[in-house]
Amino acid sequence: LAKTTQPISMDSYEGQEVNITCSHNNIATNDYITWYQQFPSQGPRFIIQGYKTKVTNEVASLFIPADRKSSTLSLPRVSLSDTAVYYCLVGSSNTGKLIFGQGTTLQVKP
Amino acid sequence: GAVVSQHPSRVICKSGTSVKIECRSLDFQATTMFWYRQFPKQSLMLMATSNEGSKATYEQGVEKDKFLINHASLTLSTLTVTSAHPEDSSFYICSASPPERPSYNEQFFGPGTRLTVL
Repeated sequence: LAKTTQPISMDSYEGQEVNITCSHNNIATNDYITWYQQFPSQGPRFIIQGYKTKVTNEVASLFIPADRKSSTLSLPRVSLSDTAVYYCLVGSSNTGKLIFGQGTTLQVKP
Repeated sequence: GAVVSQHPSRVICKSGTSVKIECRSLDFQATTMFWYRQFPKQSLMLMATSNEGSKATYEQGVEKDKFLINHASLTLSTLTVTSAHPEDSSFYICSASPPERPSYNEQFFGPGTRLTVL
């Protein structure tokens, strides 16, 4: 299973763009990169998923370089409600499992 | 979108008793569901993969006789914590994927169940 590494914590201010980078050096050819958001005492919530290049949806963008060994989640103009833990996961097509790393705790300040 | 529910949302029990947690996929059928455990300030840890109509697959270090999993239908999986002890107190979360979405691509998570063992 591809292991992911991301910063333990990040601070930002309201209105700023936040970029969280995740490394996954052992990603396999068929693996997708998925980001989840989790608030305290809630289940994780899907944010975005990608395989290569750039993916954008209504809440975030995901940038994946050609070698796919890393990815960057971009949150435009964060608000206080974006304070949460963000997990980068690489799904294994061999096992069907999602293995969570330690995640990045994002603290948005006023 | 795909919705997964859990019941109960929180439960408090005495040491030595058993507790059952239900996980339901509300608007899709799921042949596979996953159970996770999360301790305070820690990440989610995969406990087991629940397979409809067959035995669950447990991750290394997870006691199958203590955490009984039953996936009797395509929309329901249950996790029973047997002879619960205070160290079993945790946040238990289930997840599932619609058949058209591979589980390694995207899973939909339940809201979690907070178990407190006194």
